This record gives sequence, C-alpha cells and structure tokens, in this order.
Amino acid sequence: KAGVTQTPRYLIKTRGQQVTLSCSPISGHRSVSWYQQTPGQGLQFLFEYFSETQRNKGNFPGRFSGRQFSNSRSEMNVSTLELGDSALYLCASSLERTANTEAFFGQGTRLTVV
Amino acid sequence: AQKITQTQPGMFVQEKEAVTLDCTYDTSDQSYGLFWYKQPSSGEMIFLIYQGSYDEQNATEGRYSLNFQKARKSANLVISASQLGDSAMYFCAMRAFGGSARQLTFGSGTQLTVLP
Repeated sequence: KAGVTQTPRYLIKTRGQQVTLSCSPISGHRSVSWYQQTPGQGLQFLFEYFSETQRNKGNFPGRFSGRQFSNSRSEMNVSTLELGDSALYLCASSLERTANTEAFFGQGTRLTVV
Repeated sequence: AQKITQTQPGMFVQEKEAVTLDCTYDTSDQSYGLFWYKQPSSGEMIFLIYQGSYDEQNATEGRYSLNFQKARKSANLVISASQLGDSAMYFCAMRAFGGSARQLTFGSGTQLTVLP
C-alpha cells in the first residue's frame, strides 16, 4: 500500500511568486491536513480537508489556501511568497476524522524562498 | 486548546540501552489521543505509537512503549535496546475529540542521539 506522496520534494522560489504543493493521501483516506515546520515556530497546523471541504484552518494569513479533490488528493497554494514562508510543508493523511485515527505523513516539501 | 510540552531538547543514549523521552500535555477534553512521531534528517514524520485517553493498557509497538500516566498528564516514550538508526528528532502530539478541531498539536521535539 503506497504511503502519502508529496510533490515536489524541494522547491526554490523568489519573493512575490506563488507556489502550489501537492499531496496524495493513502488510498482510502479521506482526511488530509497540512502543517508548516520551521526551526523557530516548530510544527504549526495550516488546514484540514475532509471530503473536499475545509474543516479547520490554522492561524495563517489568507495567502495560504488549499483544496481537496474528489479523489482526496489535496493541494495547498501560497501566494505572494515571503522569506518567512521558507519551511518544510508536511501533509498528513487519516482514514477518518476521529481523534483516535492514526495520521500518516508524507516526506514533505522543502520550500526555500529567496 | 491543547498544549504539549517536551522539556528535553536533546538526549544522548548508548547503543543497546533504553531511553525515556518525556512528554506532558494539557487539555480540557476528556477524550483524546496521544501520538509519537520520529523525524529523521530526511524530514519525513514516521508514526511510532498511539495511546487513547481511555485505553487502560499502555501501548506497545515493538521496541517502543508509551508510559501513559493520565493523572499526571504525561505520555512518555520508552525506546528499548536503542539502535544507531534511532537517532532522530522525536515529537509528541495529541488530538482531541472535543469540538470540530481534529488537527494534531505537537510539542517542540527531542533530538535523540544514539552513541556507538
């Protein structure tokens, strides 16, 4: 069974550009969550999608957005990139939304903004 | 709101010895799940073990066990017979049943180094 796949693995962008990251969850999983990891702030929740609907959003500016498709694949978009957006972006896949459901992560996309 | 505290930024352990990584949590929810993840330098978060708040037995998965003390709100990870490949960052996380939020709340992590 394939794990969570995130593409691309590495990305270098210039300030002001926009970027789209992709996450393919484990087959059959309907919940996808995104997290940003930086050395200073640690792991911070971005948003969660379940059945194509955003269920929860973290404390991030509107430049960060996402969506989920009918096959549960998810994308997140960051517009007008800032240097502080440089981070490892992790996607987590869960079967359901219950608290006792395990969450499996992808390898992450490492975004560098120059 | 939930909060996870990991007070050990770094830990060293000799190969083949056991090590305990500390985790305390704070939540007003009665139902919640506690998770431990391992993050090697490659970046991937690897799920290790899960403990539910109503589980009476401590969770075990191979060399990993979770020492769950509900009254103390602690969920320490015990790694037995450490291996060089265990060197990584370890994160404690929780997810609560209450409300609509289902995201994981993470601690700041503990960097474990296994010495040969």
